[in-house]
Amino acid sequence: SAVISQKPSRDICQRGTSLTIQCQVDSQVTMMFWYRQQPGQSLTLIATANQGSEATYESGFVIDKFPISRPNLTFSTLTVSNMSPEDSSIYLCSVDSSGRGYNEQFFGPGTRLTVL
Amino acid sequence: AQKITQTQPGMFVQEKEAVTLDCTYDTSDPSYGLFWYKQPSSGEMIFLIYQGSYDQQNATEGRYSLNFQKARKSANLVISASQLGDSAMYFCAMRVLNDYKLSFGAGTTVTVRA
Repeated sequence: SAVISQKPSRDICQRGTSLTIQCQVDSQVTMMFWYRQQPGQSLTLIATANQGSEATYESGFVIDKFPISRPNLTFSTLTVSNMSPEDSSIYLCSVDSSGRGYNEQFFGPGTRLTVL
Repeated sequence: AQKITQTQPGMFVQEKEAVTLDCTYDTSDPSYGLFWYKQPSSGEMIFLIYQGSYDQQNATEGRYSLNFQKARKSANLVISASQLGDSAMYFCAMRVLNDYKLSFGAGTTVTVRA
């Protein structure tokens, strides 16, 4: 199984500022995903991040608001830009292990963001 | 597009008893995978069990088993011998082959009573 870490684990930010969330995996993976979970809601995919290419964003999410970097096969960042209270959520990164023969998707511990 | 439905927003179960969490799905793709995750109050997503659409047998992982009824498009999770630590939100999710994105249901909150 993949071990995933995220930084920070939680943060409280002022509106109008930006926060960059880091996701580190203990092995090389092709695909990394970023999800958002608003309070009391299910998970919604923000974007898919592949190394060496631009991230692919889901409907309702744009690069200007959620820029993503994927500099190598073990690391990715998600930035939440120009934050508003509506951005208060848990942000989770995940990786897919299917390419290695495991039918599993693993998640990081999440970043709990509160915007005041 | 895939759709996952979890109709039980919350359930109570007595310690040591079994509980079944419902999940139905909708897809036109014949190749897909179904996942169950547990999310305790800490917020982390813990992978529990996986069922592939072509798997002949129902998946089992310790106290977790998946009641997979392909014709009915249901993939219910059974937790046997419930423990207090099982109290959490449980999510059913699906992805289709060659598209690694997960689609999640709304989740079911399970509360285990002593």
